[in-house]
Amino acid sequence: EAQVTQNPRYLITVTGKKLTVTCSQNMNHEYMSWYRQDPGLGLRQIYYSMNVEVTDKGDVPEGYKVSRKEKRNFPLILESPSPNQTSLYFCASSSLGQGFSGANVLTFGAGSRLTVL
Amino acid sequence: GQNIDQPTEMTATEGAIVQINCTYQTSGFNGLFWYQQHAGEAPTFLSYNVLDGLEEKGRFSSFLSRSKGYSYLLLKELQMKDSASYLCAVMDSNYQLIWGAGTKLIIKP
Repeated sequence: EAQVTQNPRYLITVTGKKLTVTCSQNMNHEYMSWYRQDPGLGLRQIYYSMNVEVTDKGDVPEGYKVSRKEKRNFPLILESPSPNQTSLYFCASSSLGQGFSGANVLTFGAGSRLTVL
Repeated sequence: GQNIDQPTEMTATEGAIVQINCTYQTSGFNGLFWYQQHAGEAPTFLSYNVLDGLEEKGRFSSFLSRSKGYSYLLLKELQMKDSASYLCAVMDSNYQLIWGAGTKLIIKP
C-alpha cells in the first residue's frame, strides 16, 4: 500500500530533551515536506526537500532540523524542544514528475501529536 | 504578504448543498488545491484547479476564477461523513503551497 509512515504518533516530552520524528514513504517520491498544524493557523511548512541531500527552509524552520540522506526517509529533529513546539505534525510527499503541476498531490502521513512540557 | 481566506465554520443539513468559498492573494499562481481533513486525521486530496471554470467530481465540484482570486468547493447531497475541515491551498510562483486555515463543516441530520 502506498503510504507515508510517521513515528511516533503521540509523544509527551519535556523541555530540552532532543527528539526525532521519523517519516518514511514507499512511493519513490522526490518531494517531501514537514508541516505543523495549530488551531486557527492552518498548515505551516517547516522544511521541505526536493530530493536526496537537498533541503530548504519553509515558513517556520526555527528550532527544527531535517536531513534527507535517502529518498524514502525525511526525519524531523527537535534538538531542544520548547513548549511552543507543542503541535500536530504532518509529513507529506509527492512526485515532481515533469515539474510542479496538479500531479503534485501531496500524500500525508497520519500525523504526530507532540506535547512539550 | 500572501493570504488565503476561508470561513472558519459552516453548518449544513444532511442531503442539502453547501458552498465553501476561498479567496486568495498570492505571489503568482500555479494552481489551487482543495483537501479534506477529518478530525485528528491526515488531509486527503479532493481537487485541483489551474484554469478558470468548474471541475466536477461526483458529489464534489470546485470552481476557480483567477481574475477574482476566488474559488469555491461545492458539496451536493451532503452526508454525515462529509463533516470535516476543508482546506484551500494555492501554489505560488515559487511552487510553494500557501494554506488557508480551513473551514470546519458541520452536518446536521
